[in-house]
Amino acid sequence: KQEVTQIPAALSVPEGENLVLNCSFTDSAIYNLQWFRQDPGKGLTSLLLIQSSQREQTSGRLNASLDKSSGRSTLYIAASQPGDSATYLCAVSNTGNQFYFGTGTSLTVIP
Amino acid sequence: DADVTQTPRNRITKTGKRIMLECSQTKGHDRMYWYRQDPGLGLQLIYYSFDVKDINKGEISDGYSVSRQAQAKFSLSLESAIPNQTALYFCATSDPNQETQYFGPGTRLLVL
Repeated sequence: KQEVTQIPAALSVPEGENLVLNCSFTDSAIYNLQWFRQDPGKGLTSLLLIQSSQREQTSGRLNASLDKSSGRSTLYIAASQPGDSATYLCAVSNTGNQFYFGTGTSLTVIP
Repeated sequence: DADVTQTPRNRITKTGKRIMLECSQTKGHDRMYWYRQDPGLGLQLIYYSFDVKDINKGEISDGYSVSRQAQAKFSLSLESAIPNQTALYFCATSDPNQETQYFGPGTRLLVL
């Protein structure tokens, strides 16, 4: 079974700082990897999707990288803002069409 | 209007009661999923369906059942609710190429 781990569990940074969130997975035979954002009391919103053949994806201030061989992905957030405060979840899809989620990193950006 | 809707948004029930959580989507996707989220455990897959005639168990299907009434509707039932089924439940959809998953707003369930 695929195991997905996210470190750290919580992170607090001052506004304007660049930061990196980490995701690791145990089985490198993945189909794709997805980063989500979850706001309190709300559903998940997809941020970036990386196919297994890709190394990175970018959207605005967000950049996600994928290293399948080492079983790792990182989400880089540039120039953080208070509105970035949320829980960030990593999910891995295998060829069996099931998605495995990490437990998330709770981010607080301090004004 | 939201692409994926869930009803009810909040529900309190008693041990032993049967309850149904409903999910509807307007994205036209064939694939639908039910997850539960517990603090510290992330999301766990309960059931998933690739079309109206295809239902599959996920990691934690015991105590749950599902019904795919139509392409747009996927319901989750707790036949006899127990307190450890207290959780946040999410419905999601995705397209056949396993691209982005789209989540509903969640149903917060409390079993007393």
